[in-house]
Amino acid sequence: AQTVTQSQPEMSVQEAETVTLSCTYDTSENNYYLFWYKQPPSRQMILVIRQEAYKQQNATENRFSVNFQKAAKSFSLKISDSQLGDTAMYFCALQTGANNLFFGTGTRLTVIP
Amino acid sequence: NAGVTQTPKFQVLKTGQSMTLQCAQDMNHEYMSWYRQDPGMGLRLIHYSVGAGITDQGEVPNGYNVSRSTTEDFPLRLLSAAPSQTSVYFCASSDDFYNEQFFGPGTRLTVL
Repeated sequence: AQTVTQSQPEMSVQEAETVTLSCTYDTSENNYYLFWYKQPPSRQMILVIRQEAYKQQNATENRFSVNFQKAAKSFSLKISDSQLGDTAMYFCALQTGANNLFFGTGTRLTVIP
Repeated sequence: NAGVTQTPKFQVLKTGQSMTLQCAQDMNHEYMSWYRQDPGMGLRLIHYSVGAGITDQGEVPNGYNVSRSTTEDFPLRLLSAAPSQTSVYFCASSDDFYNEQFFGPGTRLTVL
């Protein structure tokens, strides 16, 4: 069975500071993909970053980067130079097949001016 | 491109009523899916399709039907609504299920 755990229901960070959101997962599959999605108050789900499990190099997208620890089954998201527009719910997700996409329960991030 | 569109944005039903949530995409994506989002939980996959004429069940399919007659459209049908189906529903599409999924704006459904 696949599971995704986000242990931080809420977090806050000062504008321009750095914050790390945690995610752990469990799967017996060797080939899988990991995602971070952002859901701002508008409710629109937006992809932040994507990691392929067979790639050892951590994915980066501008101010967003991940720390992918495959052996530990950990996939944390680092947001650098936090901006007010980063305020949102962040969901970690694991995909192991067409019908096997599992989301965590989310972390609500608030960026404080 | 309009991306992924969903209608309606809000809907209130009485127990036992039926309705169809509409979803359309203009990106020529083969893969489409429906999710529900409940408070305190992540999104859960209801049904998905890998192309026109092909659909399959996700994690929580009971009480829902889908069909995929065209690449663009993927409606979700509730045959007999129940209060447990009160949720926010998202449709998504992608060119491959391992790639970025593009989500619609969601439909908030309340079943009384």
